[in-house]
Amino acid sequence: TQLLEQSPQFLSIQEGENLTVYCNSSSVFSSLQWYRQEPGEGPVLLVTVVTGGEVKKLKRLTFQFGDARKDSSLHITAAQTGDTGLYLCAGARMALQHTDKLIFGTGTRLQVFP
Amino acid sequence: DTGVSQDPRHKITKRGQNVTFRCDPISEHNRLYWYRQTLGQGPEFLTYFQNEAQLEKSRLLSDRFSAERPKGSFSTLEIQRTEQGDSAMYLCASGPPAGAWVDTQYFGPGTRLTVL
Repeated sequence: TQLLEQSPQFLSIQEGENLTVYCNSSSVFSSLQWYRQEPGEGPVLLVTVVTGGEVKKLKRLTFQFGDARKDSSLHITAAQTGDTGLYLCAGARMALQHTDKLIFGTGTRLQVFP
Repeated sequence: DTGVSQDPRHKITKRGQNVTFRCDPISEHNRLYWYRQTLGQGPEFLTYFQNEAQLEKSRLLSDRFSAERPKGSFSTLEIQRTEQGDSAMYLCASGPPAGAWVDTQYFGPGTRLTVL
């Protein structure tokens, strides 16, 4: 059962365009993390959001955590070819053992053309 | 470089052979996770260590899989009698003690396993 749905699955845009990636769930998460992954490499952490309604900015990237902590979005302004990669959202749910294991979405593959 | 490291980066083996992977977490992190990622999918949780204690194992972790973290530092993941379905990227992640910056996990570069 996939608890986190990402959309779109694929996105192909021209350099300079804006885009938004969505991460949705029916479950509540204690925090949500966004990663970017290059082929053959491990995911690289971009941001962690923990408070409902929180907005974080990382240069041209804006991350938002939904008020109910069930969904999140990633907005990229003026995309560059270096933004190309697989974007993964991952939610953490506090278990009895305080595992904080991450539940990942299926990812959004972004291709930015010059 | 003080990030999470994994060894080897790539492993090709024949079906039925045993393989072992190593993960060295960020030094001050006491939480360590193993995930598996197949092509086109997001990573899936396998197991979790807090210090040397293995506190949770996924149903994905069959009897052929075993993980250890004997001294609470590095960890190993062993797969016995490998099957073609074990082919995947095996990812290790570590995190600081709960209460510091909870829920954040930092991933290593992964070990790509190919079972022929």
